[in-house]
Amino acid sequence: AQTVTQSQPEMSVQEAETVTLSCTYDTSESDYYLFWYKQPPSRQMILVIRQEAYKQQNATENRFSVNFQKAAKSFSLKISDSQLGDAAMYFCAGDDKIIFGKGTRLHILP
Amino acid sequence: SQTIHQWPATLVQPVGSPLSLECTVEGTSNPNLYWYRQAAGRGLQLLFYSVGIGQISSEVPQNLSASRPQDRQFILSSKKLLLSDSGFYLCAWSVSLLYEQYFGPGTRLTVT
Repeated sequence: AQTVTQSQPEMSVQEAETVTLSCTYDTSESDYYLFWYKQPPSRQMILVIRQEAYKQQNATENRFSVNFQKAAKSFSLKISDSQLGDAAMYFCAGDDKIIFGKGTRLHILP
Repeated sequence: SQTIHQWPATLVQPVGSPLSLECTVEGTSNPNLYWYRQAAGRGLQLLFYSVGIGQISSEVPQNLSASRPQDRQFILSSKKLLLSDSGFYLCAWSVSLLYEQYFGPGTRLTVT
C-alpha cells in the first residue's frame, strides 16, 4: 500500500440533509479493510465505520453508510440526516498499517 | 474495556531540547502500537509502529525515535527538537496491522 485519496478538501451540507464524502484508494492486496474516521474540533480521532473488502454488503452504522465499489476502488461515506455534531474532519483510511487520506472538512449549516 | 492514555496533553519546548511523549494502553495484551503526527489542518503521517516489545518500525526518517519498553507502553523521543517537530502527536493501538485503530487524545507540541 498504497494510496488513499480524498479529493474534497471541504464540503458543506444543510442540517438534516444528506451528504456523501468521496474516497478512492489503490492497493495490491486482495483482502483488506477500509475505514472512515471522524476528527471533531477536540482532535480526538473516532472510528465511524469499517468495511471488509471481501464482503459485498455495504457497511452501515445508524446514519452513516458506505458505498463500496471494489472494482473501482471507491469507498464513499454517506451521512444521512446531518446533525450539527457531525461537523468535523473526516478521514478515509485503509490497508496495511492504515494509510490515511488527507481528510475532508465537513461543515453543517443550521 | 480498552483505554489509551497519552501525556502530556500540551507541551511547549525550545529548539534543541529533548522530548519524551508517553502512551499507554489498558485492557488488552500485545497490541500493535502507532505514533502519528498531524500538522495543522492536514492528514496523519505515520511515524512509527510496533508489533511487540522492542520491535519498532520507522516509516519516515527524521529527528525522532520510538521505544516500546513494555507491552503496553510506547514512547516517542527526540534528543534535540527542531522547529519542524511542532505538531499534534497521536498514539493509537490495534489488534492487527489490518484492523481499525483506536486513538489516544493526542499531544500538542509547540517547539519555540
